[in-house]
Amino acid sequence: AQKITQTQPGMFVQEKEAVTLDCTYDTSDQSYGLFWYKQPSSGEMIFLIYQGSYDEQNATEGRYSLNFQKARKSANLVISASQLGDSAMYFCAMREGAQKLVFGQGTRLTINP
Amino acid sequence: EAGVTQFPSHSVIEKGQTVTLRCDPISGHDNLYWYRRVMGKEIKFLLHFVKESKQDESGMPNNRFLAERTGGTYSTLKVQPAELEDSGVYFCASSQRQGVFNYGYTFGSGTRLTVV
Repeated sequence: AQKITQTQPGMFVQEKEAVTLDCTYDTSDQSYGLFWYKQPSSGEMIFLIYQGSYDEQNATEGRYSLNFQKARKSANLVISASQLGDSAMYFCAMREGAQKLVFGQGTRLTINP
Repeated sequence: EAGVTQFPSHSVIEKGQTVTLRCDPISGHDNLYWYRRVMGKEIKFLLHFVKESKQDESGMPNNRFLAERTGGTYSTLKVQPAELEDSGVYFCASSQRQGVFNYGYTFGSGTRLTVV
């Protein structure tokens, strides 16, 4: 079975610093997709970034980038120039099989002013 | 376009009672998913509808949970009777089509269920 591991339950970062949220995955599939979602205190799950297993370039979306290291099975999220509004839970997920997502435990990120 | 809507946003019920959660997907999205996050644990898949048909219900914990999607539009998730361990946040998501690696999942804000 596929599995996602996020080893950082919580992180505290100073505003404007860059932050890396760790995510490792385990799968025997050759084709898969990796996602990061943000969950602010309001509760909604906000899609941030996606990386396909065959994508040669690391995905980027504005201040978000995904450091994809396929051989190490890691898909770390990098947030550059963190802002107070980045404080939230962050979930790494992998698309399993036909459709469903498998999630990690999440990392609570707190940005300090 | 309107997003995925879930209601109620919060529900507090007593053990043994019945609760029904509702999800309205984005219009035109054939795929609808239910997930839940029990306190302190990861978000887990419950089931997947394609239109009105259950494509995958491998994540449904037991027969106290019943999901329906009448006419392929909105979906309901009924818990009857509710137990303490059912407490958590229930998320609904929808996507337009069964793309292989698309990232077109849109999540709702979730329903926080508390069973006391």
